[in-house]
Amino acid sequence: GDSVTQMEGPVTLSEEAFLTINCTYTATGYPSLFWYVQYPGEGLQLLLKATKADDKGSNKGFEATYRKETTSFHLEKGSVQVSDSAVYFCALSDPYSSASKIIFGSGTRLSIRP
Amino acid sequence: GAVVSQHPSWVICKSGTSVKIECRSLDFQATTMFWYRQFPKQSLMLMATSNEGSKATYEQGVEKDKFLINHASLTLSTLTVTSAHPEDSSFYICSAATSDLSYNEQFFGPGTRLTVL
Repeated sequence: GDSVTQMEGPVTLSEEAFLTINCTYTATGYPSLFWYVQYPGEGLQLLLKATKADDKGSNKGFEATYRKETTSFHLEKGSVQVSDSAVYFCALSDPYSSASKIIFGSGTRLSIRP
Repeated sequence: GAVVSQHPSWVICKSGTSVKIECRSLDFQATTMFWYRQFPKQSLMLMATSNEGSKATYEQGVEKDKFLINHASLTLSTLTVTSAHPEDSSFYICSAATSDLSYNEQFFGPGTRLTVL
């Protein structure tokens, strides 16, 4: 079945450092790909998404490119801030599924030091 | 737009009692709602999918008599944890999807933290 694998955390960086969180997926079709962020004690917020190969999703300085050839959707940010400390989930959804089911990765906890 | 609310945001109850959690789509009609459970420092586990006016579809291993889901309208779904026990303590998150917006995008509520004493 479809699955998402993302790098284990926690990831600890200093402010203004470059961030990469790796994510790879397995899917039988052509899924849509997402990054969600969860701040402490809160629900999930959609950070960015890409719906087809070579699409680049971007938001709040974060970027991820849908790479079909490597089945990857790595999250990057050039200069992180303390406020970026959160848990990040990579996810996929099969657009042909009638239930719009989302499959989540295990999450990566990011901590940014001032 | 596409805001989903949950109520309550947290609840503490005694073992053996039942707890109802509401999930509302505030500015759109949710044809499908999802209920997730999240254990500390873990990912979201899909519990069930519900479509308005029909019975929920539960994921394997989720007790449907334990976790009652009702999706009576296009803006409201409820999850009732019946005869709650301490092992039911968790963070419950709902999400909503609609064919009116991006069909395979879900909009998540802020979550409800349940603590069973």
